[in-house]
Amino acid sequence: DAGITQSPRYKITETGRQVTLMCHQTWSHSYMFWYRQDLGHGLRLIYYSAAADITDKGEVPDGYVVSRSKTENFPLTLESATRSQTSVYFCASRQQGTNEKLFFGSGTQLSVL
Amino acid sequence: GQNIDQPTEMTATEGAIVQINCTYQTSGFNGLFWYQQHAGEAPTFLSYNVLDGLEEKGRFSSFLSRSKGYSYLLLKELQMKDSASYLCAVRDRRDSSYKLIFGSGTRLLVRP
Repeated sequence: DAGITQSPRYKITETGRQVTLMCHQTWSHSYMFWYRQDLGHGLRLIYYSAAADITDKGEVPDGYVVSRSKTENFPLTLESATRSQTSVYFCASRQQGTNEKLFFGSGTQLSVL
Repeated sequence: GQNIDQPTEMTATEGAIVQINCTYQTSGFNGLFWYQQHAGEAPTFLSYNVLDGLEEKGRFSSFLSRSKGYSYLLLKELQMKDSASYLCAVRDRRDSSYKLIFGSGTRLLVRP
């Protein structure tokens, strides 16, 4: 009953460093998403993927890179972290279909110093 | 573009009823979701509306009016554990991803 898991749970890094947040789901869901959550902004979509090797930008993609070589994994990389990327990051997945709900991972709290 | 508005904070008393409103503007509406999020935790699904009307699920109900771009979440018999943020999210069908766009959330505080 693993579902969708994110790692690490907490991460502290410095500006300019590269950091990768991991997301893994065991349901074979087609769609996977990365959101960031900040006070006053709610959840904002960074990137999403409809299937392996298919990714697309969301509302706030700048400074982030994603890949999806396998259906179950969807890592998010900050190539050169900035303080403005301090946030809580949530990965989510869902089945194909227009009324399918999102399932969220537990989140990664990232602090960029 | 899309715009989703909900109140920032609400306070209610244990045992009472509270209504959390959500208004939205989108050119490709394809359903509205409500999620609950306790502090420090992930959002969890509460309800889904795609047609006009009321969907009831235990103590929680959700209403949708597509012509008015309006939804509400009704919580009855409030319990202390209902203190959480409630997120309204709209599905956009303008592209094949049907991605979900979230409002900023309403933080509900339930007092004894």
